[in-house]
Amino acid sequence: ELKVEQNPLFLSMQEGKNYTIYCNYSTTSDRLYWYRQDPGKSLESLFVLLSNGAVKQEGRLMASLDTKARLSTLHITAAVHDLSATYFCAVENTDKLIFGTGTRLQVFP
Amino acid sequence: SAVISQKPSRDICQRGTSLTIQCQVDSQVTMMFWYRQQPGQSLTLIATANQGSEATYESGFVIDKFPISRPNLTFSTLTVSNMSPEDSSIYLCSALTGSRHEQYFGPGTRLTVT
Repeated sequence: ELKVEQNPLFLSMQEGKNYTIYCNYSTTSDRLYWYRQDPGKSLESLFVLLSNGAVKQEGRLMASLDTKARLSTLHITAAVHDLSATYFCAVENTDKLIFGTGTRLQVFP
Repeated sequence: SAVISQKPSRDICQRGTSLTIQCQVDSQVTMMFWYRQQPGQSLTLIATANQGSEATYESGFVIDKFPISRPNLTFSTLTVSNMSPEDSSIYLCSALTGSRHEQYFGPGTRLTVT
């Protein structure tokens, strides 16, 4: 059974600081997604990572994938308040998504 | 990308009743899925909605409780039957697009059962 672990569960960051969210999964996967969810909203797709060593960046967020270690990271650079949200990784297996527990990010001044 | 709409956006229902949620995609998609997100939790896959055939349910979910239809390549419904307060959740549909093979999510249906 595919399991996806995400940590930390909760992250309180000061503006301007850097931090990394980790996503570990238990079996081989086809691809890995990162989503953002604002309170009361649906999921917004941030990144889709397809292969080992893949790195994608958008603004202050950068995601990477190491398929050998079964690990993906979402790195936040110089956090700003607008990044406050819950971030989920999700691993695709036979077209189905298995979600991590989510990381609730709060950025304060 | 795919634009997905859901109806209703929210509802408050009494226990023992049923609610049908509709999901419409603006283009033909290869696969559609239904997820549940309980309060403060992550998303759990309920089932894969198969076009023209019975849905494929994940462990812990059964057709009698969550009947699903998918009559064509752009539309699906999920019914939450004989509801109890434990069914209070957000229900989201998603679609897998063939062109870029990405999953997009609808806005969700927030269900409260009293």
